[in-house]
Amino acid sequence: EAGVTQFPSHSVIEKGQTVTLRCDPISGHDNLYWYRRVMGKEIKFLLHFVKESKQDESGMPNNRFLAERTGGTYSTLKVQPAELEDSGVYFCASSQSLNTEAFFGQGTRLTVV
Amino acid sequence: KNEVEQSPQNLTAQEGEFITINCSYSVGISALHWLQQHPGGGIVSLFMLSSGKKKHGRLIATINIQEKHSSLHITASHPRDSAVYICAVGNTDKLIFGTGTRLQVFP
Repeated sequence: EAGVTQFPSHSVIEKGQTVTLRCDPISGHDNLYWYRRVMGKEIKFLLHFVKESKQDESGMPNNRFLAERTGGTYSTLKVQPAELEDSGVYFCASSQSLNTEAFFGQGTRLTVV
Repeated sequence: KNEVEQSPQNLTAQEGEFITINCSYSVGISALHWLQQHPGGGIVSLFMLSSGKKKHGRLIATINIQEKHSSLHITASHPRDSAVYICAVGNTDKLIFGTGTRLQVFP
């Protein structure tokens, strides 16, 4: 069974550009989460989808970040326009139901220069 | 103060040593997770527990709900155990993470 996959693994973009990160959860997992680790800090929650609906987006830093999960399958996280402080590793995780084991992707390392 | 605190932040050990990593939390939780991240790698779930103790191979995780404290033990440590170990607690619908403990085990 394929795990959670994220694309790209690395992205380097200039300040002001747009980047779209993609996450493919484990098939059948209704719950999809985005998390982020910025340099030297702990991993922080961004948002939670249940199927295609945003259950909780309290961790989204500002309106430059837009997450979608059309059809309740894969999800995208778009940053537009990117700022230097957006650099970090973005992790996606999925779980079958709430409060069950979450499976993480390899992460996307985003560098904004 | 973080809602999830881990100690130590960094840990070095000789192969074969017994290792303990501690995690304290200050929020209500549904479960506590221990995760592992190798350099350049993704995050792997080691344990998810809400009470008592779990064991998997050389790894043991315990939790004391009353004291809001958990420990991860590694017996007979090996260089391949070198990684970052992260404690995370399930709170409502999301995980709250500690900063992680970087473990290096030398042969």
